[in-house]
Amino acid sequence: DGGITQSPKYLFRKEGQNVTLSCEQNLNHDAMYWYRQDPGQGLRLIYYSQIVNDFQKGDIAEGYSVSREKKESFPLTVTSAQKNPTAFYLCASSILSTSTEAFFGQGTRLTVV
Amino acid sequence: GIQVEQSPPDLILQEGANSTLRCNFSDSVNNLQWFHQNPWGQLINLFYIPSGTKQNGRLSATTVATERYSLLYISSSQTTDSGVYFCAVERGGSGNTGKLIFGQGTTLQVKP
Repeated sequence: DGGITQSPKYLFRKEGQNVTLSCEQNLNHDAMYWYRQDPGQGLRLIYYSQIVNDFQKGDIAEGYSVSREKKESFPLTVTSAQKNPTAFYLCASSILSTSTEAFFGQGTRLTVV
Repeated sequence: GIQVEQSPPDLILQEGANSTLRCNFSDSVNNLQWFHQNPWGQLINLFYIPSGTKQNGRLSATTVATERYSLLYISSSQTTDSGVYFCAVERGGSGNTGKLIFGQGTTLQVKP
């Protein structure tokens, strides 16, 4: 099935630890995005990548890092520098060349314990 | 930056009723999408509608770009329509990056 797969669905982390969230797409989309959602809020952009080996900061990049070594994959690392990492994280992709319509994965719920 | 405001913030309907959700934005846009967030958190694409009118079953949407608003119509609502509806825009002149700015959402509850 074509789509965007995020793993894991639920993740628990101790304070001070880095953790990496996985996002894979088999839609052959050029661009990929990471958004964060806090309870009762809309989504905010963390990082995005329009092409392999290139990425840009979004509105709330502090405390996060990404890589884009393959077109299909855009992992997000939540570092210990992120002051309030407990949130719902959503990955998206879009083809860009013909449309900027975004499609989303199922999300990863991260809890710091 | 561009502001996206959705109204109403909360809506309670009886099954079978119709409703209109509104999205206002403060600047020109390249892209406007409506999403339904289900109880498990997944965002379901409803419409990609930077301008004009589209219909999909009981749902339809209209975007009037020159007046900077979009409307989502839900007719004959069902309990499965419950959830949060988000409007998201890509600011015009941003070079088609696909970066979306989200509104705060409208939480819809449909009662049987």
